[in-house]
Amino acid sequence: EAGVAQSPRYKIIEKRQSVAFWCNPISGHATLYWYQQILGQGPKLLIQFQNNGVVDDSQLPKDRFSAERLKGVDSTLKIQPAKLEDSAVYLCASSLLQGPYGYTFGSGTRLTVV
Amino acid sequence: GNSVTQMEGPVTLSEEAFLTINCTYTATGYPSLFWYVQYPGEGLQLLLKATKADDKGSNKGFEATYRKETTSFHLEKGSVQVSDSAVYFCALSGPGNTGKLIFGQGTTLQVKP
Repeated sequence: EAGVAQSPRYKIIEKRQSVAFWCNPISGHATLYWYQQILGQGPKLLIQFQNNGVVDDSQLPKDRFSAERLKGVDSTLKIQPAKLEDSAVYLCASSLLQGPYGYTFGSGTRLTVV
Repeated sequence: GNSVTQMEGPVTLSEEAFLTINCTYTATGYPSLFWYVQYPGEGLQLLLKATKADDKGSNKGFEATYRKETTSFHLEKGSVQVSDSAVYFCALSGPGNTGKLIFGQGTTLQVKP
């Protein structure tokens, strides 16, 4: 089966600019996650969707980050305006069922804010 | 809150050496425990898991045992290969079993021929 697709692979922007990342999960996977992985740290969950509803967005900085999952399939994560500390790899993952098993991660988008 | 602590890296070993990467956790309830691996340029992949105390997860020669009494889930392999060079992440399932994973900071393993 095809994996989790993410784009772009790399992005460099200046602070205060906006940026958007796209994720296409594995077909049929109802649960979709966005994680932020800062260099030297483990991934941290930003937001979790079940179909097109939000399950957990408690660690999403809502003043600058937003995310949506259209029709319960693709998802976009947006940052506006970006700060230097947003430099990280943004990982998308999906799973068939809600729960900690059966995750498939994408390769991530590496964001550099200068 | 729930958290995971891993030993600092990088860990540098010669081929065929024995590997241990320490992982301890703090959690309420009875989380599931995981080891994920990230090869250069690739996404995170599940290496092994354990869902209850005393369970042993194993895969590709790696193994880890869920020790509730010491809140640990150390990763071991008897003989590492150059191809095992990667970053290893210990993780646990978040409260409520919603699917959230809480990761440690990762340990880089370098295996030299």
